[in-house]
Amino acid sequence: ELKVEQNPLFLSMQEGKNYTIYCNYSTTSDRLYWYRQDPGKSLESLFVLLSNGAVKQEGRLMASLDTKARLSTLHITAAVHDLSATYFCAVVPGYALNFGKGTSLLVTP
Amino acid sequence: TAGITQAPTSQILAAGRSMTLRCTQDMRHNAMYWYRQDLGLGLRLIHYSNTAGTTGKGEVPDGYSVSRANTDDFPLTLASAVPSQTSVYFCASSSSVGGSYNEQFFGPGTRLTVL
Repeated sequence: ELKVEQNPLFLSMQEGKNYTIYCNYSTTSDRLYWYRQDPGKSLESLFVLLSNGAVKQEGRLMASLDTKARLSTLHITAAVHDLSATYFCAVVPGYALNFGKGTSLLVTP
Repeated sequence: TAGITQAPTSQILAAGRSMTLRCTQDMRHNAMYWYRQDLGLGLRLIHYSNTAGTTGKGEVPDGYSVSRANTDDFPLTLASAVPSQTSVYFCASSSSVGGSYNEQFFGPGTRLTVL
């Protein structure tokens, strides 16, 4: 059974701090996605990681992929309130996405 | 460009009634998907379609049916709704190249409450 595990599931952090969200998966996947979801909204694609060692950055977010360890990280640098949202990782062992349960991030002053 | 549209935005439905959730995309993507999102469970795949005329079952298909008569539309039908089908439903689509599926784009969602 495919498992996609994110941790932590809930994260409250102060503005200006750094933190990392982890995504472990249990089967081979040729790509990994990170999505963002604001409350009551749809999912917005953040990153697509296609190969081992891939690193992508957008603003204060940086994602990386280690396919050998089956691990992806989403690093938050100097958090700001606008980053408050739920973040999902997802892998694609076949045709459809398999999601982690999501990490709910709250950035406080 | 609209991308993916879903209708209705929200619905309250009596148990035992039937309902069709509509999904239309204008990106000419060959693959389409239906997910449900429940608190604490994340998003789970209900049904999918790799191309017009074909459909397949996902992780939680029971109580749902789909059809894919053309590229753009992928309706999801609940034949006899039950309270456990209360959820937020997302439609998504993606293109594929050589059997590899690209990034999925999501619709705005339909919030369904079954009483």
